[in-house]
Amino acid sequence: EDKVVQSPLSLVVHEGDTVTLNCSYEVTNFRSLLWYKQEKKAPTFLFMLTSSGIEKKSGRLSSILDKKELFSILNITATQTGDSAIYLCAVKPTDSWGKLQFGAGTQVVVTP
Amino acid sequence: EPEVTQTPSHQVTQMGQEVILRCVPISNHLYFYWYRQILGQKVEFLVSFYNNEISEKSEIFDDQFSVERPDGSNFTLKIRSTKLEDSAMYFCASSPIGGTGELFFGEGSRLTVL
Repeated sequence: EDKVVQSPLSLVVHEGDTVTLNCSYEVTNFRSLLWYKQEKKAPTFLFMLTSSGIEKKSGRLSSILDKKELFSILNITATQTGDSAIYLCAVKPTDSWGKLQFGAGTQVVVTP
Repeated sequence: EPEVTQTPSHQVTQMGQEVILRCVPISNHLYFYWYRQILGQKVEFLVSFYNNEISEKSEIFDDQFSVERPDGSNFTLKIRSTKLEDSAMYFCASSPIGGTGELFFGEGSRLTVL
């Protein structure tokens, strides 16, 4: 059975800290892995990773994929209170265009 | 910035009633989806829709569910006879053809079945 597992489930950090979120997967026919940020309602897209070892960056956020060890990490440096959210990892298989399989998410709380 | 819009934001209904959730996908997108998230659980895929037909559906998407694109802009999810366990946040999403593959989600419609 396909699985997407995120860790930790939740964490609390102080502003300015660095956060590392993990997503491991066991999915047949892997095509890509996506990261979303869910603040109140709509998941908003952060990154899509298809190839191993290529870091994607957007401001203070970065992510990388390891297709050999079947995991991805999402890093947030110099965290701000606005980074407080649930971060979702999702995997897209090759035999489907839009059927994402989501992990349970990691809830990040950044305190002032 | 274009966005996916959903209505209603919250609907309360009695068990057994029919519900229609509406979505306006981003205008140049051609793939449409419904996902749901039961409180405290993972976001789950329900159905994908392309070229006026269902392209894929999950085991959750049984005969009580249907989708439709009644005109050039709306995409609807109908639940024929709601059950208590249908209470969830329902997300509509869309993606463009030939894009990089990310889905753009709406704000969601919270359905509460009493």
